[in-house]
Amino acid sequence: DAKTTQPNSMESNEEEPVHLPCNHSTISGTDYIHWYRQLPSQGPEYVIHGLTSNVNNRMASLAIAEDRKSSTLILHRATLRDAAVYYCILRSGNTGKLIFGQGTTLQVKP
Amino acid sequence: AAGVIQSPRHLIKEKRETATLKCYPIPRHDTVYWYQQGPGQDPQFLISFYEKMQSDKGSIPDRFSAQQFSDYHSELNMSSLELGDSALYFCASSFLPGRSNEQFFGPGTRLTVL
Repeated sequence: DAKTTQPNSMESNEEEPVHLPCNHSTISGTDYIHWYRQLPSQGPEYVIHGLTSNVNNRMASLAIAEDRKSSTLILHRATLRDAAVYYCILRSGNTGKLIFGQGTTLQVKP
Repeated sequence: AAGVIQSPRHLIKEKRETATLKCYPIPRHDTVYWYQQGPGQDPQFLISFYEKMQSDKGSIPDRFSAQQFSDYHSELNMSSLELGDSALYFCASSFLPGRSNEQFFGPGTRLTVL
């Protein structure tokens, strides 16, 4: 499974945008880029995913580099409830398993 | 909307005992995944099922077994429990396996082995 690299932690101020980076230089052409987050004491939660084009949904935006070797999760206005561990995951194969690496712990300051 | 249901939510067992964790996927979801999250660790994939057949296997100990039943619920059976099995066990479900499908996670079962 291709690996991802994320910063251990990031801080943001409430109501400001947050850009969470992810490097995946060994990504293959069929790997999807997924983002999940895990709030304290909860199960992981799907955020967004994409293959080649940038994606937007009600939670966030995903910006994918043209060479697909990196991506950025964008939270447009961080709230205190967005404080969580954010995982960037490459999904390959047909079984759909998620391989969680070290994610980014996001702290949101009021 | 219905979510993934896991039972029990908390379980305390002694070493060498057995435990059974249950997972009820979202209605019409045919794929179930099991993950283990040790204290301070990231979730680790254990095993998955699609249409009642094992579809993938991760770092699941031989002491553990699992199956998916005709109503699509799944059970994780753990025998000869060890202290290191203490963890949060998450079940997730999706409609079809695959690279692009969203997985919905349950609240987890916290297993404590004494």
